[in-house]
Amino acid sequence: TQLLEQSPQFLSIQEGENLTVYCNSSSVFSSLQWYRQEPGEGPVLLVTVVTGGEVKKLKRLTFQFGDARKDSSLHITAAQPGDTGLYLCAGAVAGGTSYGKLTFGQGTILTVHP
Amino acid sequence: DTEVTQTPKHLVMGMTNKKSLKCEQHMGHRAMYWYKQKAKKPPELMFVYSYEKLSINESVPSRFSPECPNSSLLNLHLHALQPEDSALYLCASSQVAPGQGAYGYTFGSGTRLTVV
Repeated sequence: TQLLEQSPQFLSIQEGENLTVYCNSSSVFSSLQWYRQEPGEGPVLLVTVVTGGEVKKLKRLTFQFGDARKDSSLHITAAQPGDTGLYLCAGAVAGGTSYGKLTFGQGTILTVHP
Repeated sequence: DTEVTQTPKHLVMGMTNKKSLKCEQHMGHRAMYWYKQKAKKPPELMFVYSYEKLSINESVPSRFSPECPNSSLLNLHLHALQPEDSALYLCASSQVAPGQGAYGYTFGSGTRLTVV
């Protein structure tokens, strides 16, 4: 069974601060995805990382996939109130009985105060 | 079209009712999923359909019955639910390929279900 440990669970910061969210596992994933979800809506895909060591940037968001494809991080620079939401990491495996299945982290509830 | 469309958006049902949730995608994805999500928690996988065949059932109670009539549609039939089944039900779709797992994962906006 694959597990993803996501931390921190809660993050409350002021506008303009930087933050990092981590996802760690003892399992190897073929890809890892980050989602942002607002209340009452479905998760919206932010990025998919597939290559060990990969770094992707999306405006003020920087995503990293660990060299061994077991961990990932999301860094937000100069957070804004619009960044508030539930952030989820999710890993996919390439085969076996988990084919097509996503393993989710516990989520990080981010609140950015003006 | 890059969306997964779920209907209805909200549903209130009694414990003796029978209702269905619907999901549709036209991205050519051959895997479709049902997830259940409680407030401020991650989605929990219920069912996976791959090429219109049920490939994963995560020990979901039989009062939830999935159906995949074709490659674009996914239904979840509900019968004799309990109040604790109240949650956001999410549909998702993806491509799947040997050696790559699931990719292009796209979620719908969900159906907010309340069982009274």
